[in-house]
Amino acid sequence: DAGVTQSPTHLIKTRGQQVTLRCSPKSGHDTVSWYQQALGQGPQFIFQYYEEEERQRGNFPDRFSGHQFPNYSSELNVNALLLGDSALYLCASSLAQYGYTFGSGTRLTVV
Amino acid sequence: AQTVTQSQPEMSVQEAETVTLSCTYDTSENNYYLFWYKQPPSRQMILVIRQEAYKQQNATENRFSVNFQKAAKSFSLKISDSQLGDTAMYFCAPLFGNEKLTFGTGTRLTIIP
Repeated sequence: DAGVTQSPTHLIKTRGQQVTLRCSPKSGHDTVSWYQQALGQGPQFIFQYYEEEERQRGNFPDRFSGHQFPNYSSELNVNALLLGDSALYLCASSLAQYGYTFGSGTRLTVV
Repeated sequence: AQTVTQSQPEMSVQEAETVTLSCTYDTSENNYYLFWYKQPPSRQMILVIRQEAYKQQNATENRFSVNFQKAAKSFSLKISDSQLGDTAMYFCAPLFGNEKLTFGTGTRLTIIP
């Protein structure tokens, strides 16, 4: 049973650049959520996609955007990268309230 | 605003002992779900246990059980017969009506051989 797959695993970008992170949800899940986890902190909600639309959004600037495709996979885009964007980015898929399944994350380092 | 508090940043116990991690939250909702997640160094967030707020019976999964006190808005996790593989960060994460998990700051648990 394939779980949530995220790519790439690690990424190093230069300040000011743009980055795209990808997520394939668990089979049967229709909702994808993205979280940012700074070192030593709990994950912070970025946004959630359902039926290819952003259903809700956390307290993140417009530099953070996303997309969900018809096959439920999703992308997270971050423009004009800042040093403070360095974090672990987690994708989670879900089907209603039965629990979220998380991927292993993408470690983004901005230099 | 819905907040989640984990008041124990770090804990350590001897192998085979029992440990309890605390979590409190604030919400005005009546129906919601509560989760405990474990994050080992591999960084994969793993579901440990799930509790429905409308159920009075506390959830149990093998060595893991919860003490859910709805009126007090408390949701603690008890790990019995702790094992070295239980070493990880543990996050309390309620799922309220807005259907997004809200995470606490986590408790770093170390099991000592």
